[in-house]
Amino acid sequence: EAQVTQNPRYLITVTGKKLTVTCSQNMNHEYMSWYRQDPGLGLRQIYYSMNVEVTDKGDVPEGYKVSRKEKRNFPLILESPSPNQTSLYFCASSLRFAGGTDTQYFGPGTRLTVL
Amino acid sequence: DAKTTQPPSMDCAEGRAANLPCNHSTISGNEYVYWYRQIHSQGPQYIIHGLKNNETNEMASLIITEDRKSSTLILPHATLRDTAVYYCIVRAPLGTGGFKTIFGAGTRLFVKA
Repeated sequence: EAQVTQNPRYLITVTGKKLTVTCSQNMNHEYMSWYRQDPGLGLRQIYYSMNVEVTDKGDVPEGYKVSRKEKRNFPLILESPSPNQTSLYFCASSLRFAGGTDTQYFGPGTRLTVL
Repeated sequence: DAKTTQPPSMDCAEGRAANLPCNHSTISGNEYVYWYRQIHSQGPQYIIHGLKNNETNEMASLIITEDRKSSTLILPHATLRDTAVYYCIVRAPLGTGGFKTIFGAGTRLFVKA
């Protein structure tokens, strides 16, 4: 089954304790992206990747790192989490169509709480 | 990418057509209009996209005005399961700086029995 998976789905952690949220897709998509969703602020893009070893900042990259060493995986790293990073996180991957259009497939989400 | 404006919420009776408007008055010539929806806190789901012409698929129809400054997503026979937040976004084609994505607040559609 074609899908985007995220792990963990739920995580409660403490300020300053490094964590990684994994994202994996089995559709051979070139493009992957991370979003966070907060009440009243909607979905905001954190980082995106256009291919292996190619990443760029979205609208809210501060406090996050990403890497894209293989096509299928795009982990989100919080080196020193803070309470303002408590949020619902979504990973997405995109299939590119002719003409450059694409549709994004989203993972189920990771609910992160930083105490 | 152009910003979009959508009404915060709408109601629709079950079985009737739901028409969700989106204003994108600053859209550029190469930007596509995409619609996604999010049911509760699940990951957003792609619905449809278009450039100039009206589009239809098994889920919905997309009507884009001739000047491309606004569009309407039509769910022809809304069901209770269509209750969700619907997002209209515009994006340039990939490879032309179009991978950055801006989601607005969306429209919360309530389908009532």
